[in-house]
Amino acid sequence: SAVISQKPSRDICQRGTSLTIQCQVDSQVTMMFWYRQQPGQSLTLIATANQGSEATYESGFVIDKFPISRPNLTFSTLTVSNMSPEDSSIYLCSVGGQGSAGEQYFGPGTRLTVT
Amino acid sequence: DAKTTQPNSMESNEEEPVHLPCNHSTISGTDYIHWYRQLPSQGPEYVIHGLTSNVNNRMASLAIAEDRKSSTLILHRATLRDAAVYYCILKGYNYGQNFVFGPGTRLSVLP
Repeated sequence: SAVISQKPSRDICQRGTSLTIQCQVDSQVTMMFWYRQQPGQSLTLIATANQGSEATYESGFVIDKFPISRPNLTFSTLTVSNMSPEDSSIYLCSVGGQGSAGEQYFGPGTRLTVT
Repeated sequence: DAKTTQPNSMESNEEEPVHLPCNHSTISGTDYIHWYRQLPSQGPEYVIHGLTSNVNNRMASLAIAEDRKSSTLILHRATLRDAAVYYCILKGYNYGQNFVFGPGTRLSVLP
């Protein structure tokens, strides 16, 4: 199993600013995932972050808007840049899911409100 | 990605069994069936998964149809804490390393 913590747990930010979300895992993992959950919606994958390489972004998400760092095997950050109210969502970090039978573990999420 | 279909919402009374259905008619032979749930204000958590045979754990049971085109998550005695959104997800080697979430089933538990 894996225990994941995220900081901050919530924030209220002004339009045009940026917020960096931290994700810490209690064990070393190869792949980390960042998801977005818009109000009342399901989870959507933003990107996959491997240590030592560039993150892989899903369709509709770009590096300039959501830069990701992965400096080691237990930590990652996601930055939401130049925020607009449409970025108001819960952002979740996740690890695991190796292979088709692997469990995936999720952090508690960061609730972002952009005013 | 192979798709799953679940009812948008279901309701149950406390301490009664709950059967949450999931249709996955395009499932392939190597796809695992995973169930996750998301309690209010929390990230999703693992419930159970299986391939062909029925599975039991401390949280729930998973009944898989013989043709694998559908499955049912069974909560044997619903509690108020089981009120959550339940996601049925297929995962195989062709789907990369992450889960693709559909809208899920929102389960309400009435006292």
